[in-house]
Amino acid sequence: DTAVSQTPKYLVTQMGNDKSIKCEQNLGHDTMYWYKQDSKKFLKIMFSYNNKELIINETVPNRFSPKSPDKAHLNLHINSLELGDSAVYFCASRGAGGPDTQYFGPGTRLTVL
Amino acid sequence: GDSVTQMEGPVTLSEEAFLTINCTYTATGYPSLFWYVQYPGEGLQLLLKATKADDKGSNKGFEATYRKETTSFHLEKGSVQVSDSAVYFCALTLYSSASKIIFGSGTRLSIRP
Repeated sequence: DTAVSQTPKYLVTQMGNDKSIKCEQNLGHDTMYWYKQDSKKFLKIMFSYNNKELIINETVPNRFSPKSPDKAHLNLHINSLELGDSAVYFCASRGAGGPDTQYFGPGTRLTVL
Repeated sequence: GDSVTQMEGPVTLSEEAFLTINCTYTATGYPSLFWYVQYPGEGLQLLLKATKADDKGSNKGFEATYRKETTSFHLEKGSVQVSDSAVYFCALTLYSSASKIIFGSGTRLSIRP
């Protein structure tokens, strides 16, 4: 009964391909996030959705397109993958009201060759 | 803009040593402050948090006090164990519908037996 789950855990692909990462939370939270962690462990927010509505887009290239079919899911689709997209991508969710704790998924390690 | 600065690592200590990891922040409002921990190969877990000035967060022997006058939230533990080896992230959020997390750069901690 994992709270925030991501698939796949590892993703190795060639430059130029299109890939998706899926995230699901069973916490009943309203808000979900995608973060990117680079090779130096630096974490930066990419997107946030609240009740299926995009509320944060941190100047991420438009090759990255988040999609939220319902408030329990936030998927990340990446077109035309580049070497610099190699990173660990974390999904997170947060309940309603106030700057409450965010719960993180286990991460997806993306390697672009 | 809002930001978090934490001491650079890696930090290497012997078991049972005293630990301090410094963290200071810059924020336009009144943030909530967090320490997250990332064990090798895993996602982020909340370690502790404080939501207002002078609050002390504590968990697993770790403590941090929200100091508004020095804009700091230093992490301390009296006696570290090998199992504490991980990367520690100081972070803040400001109240809004988005409440994105702004992370520090992370501090890698290694404990020698």
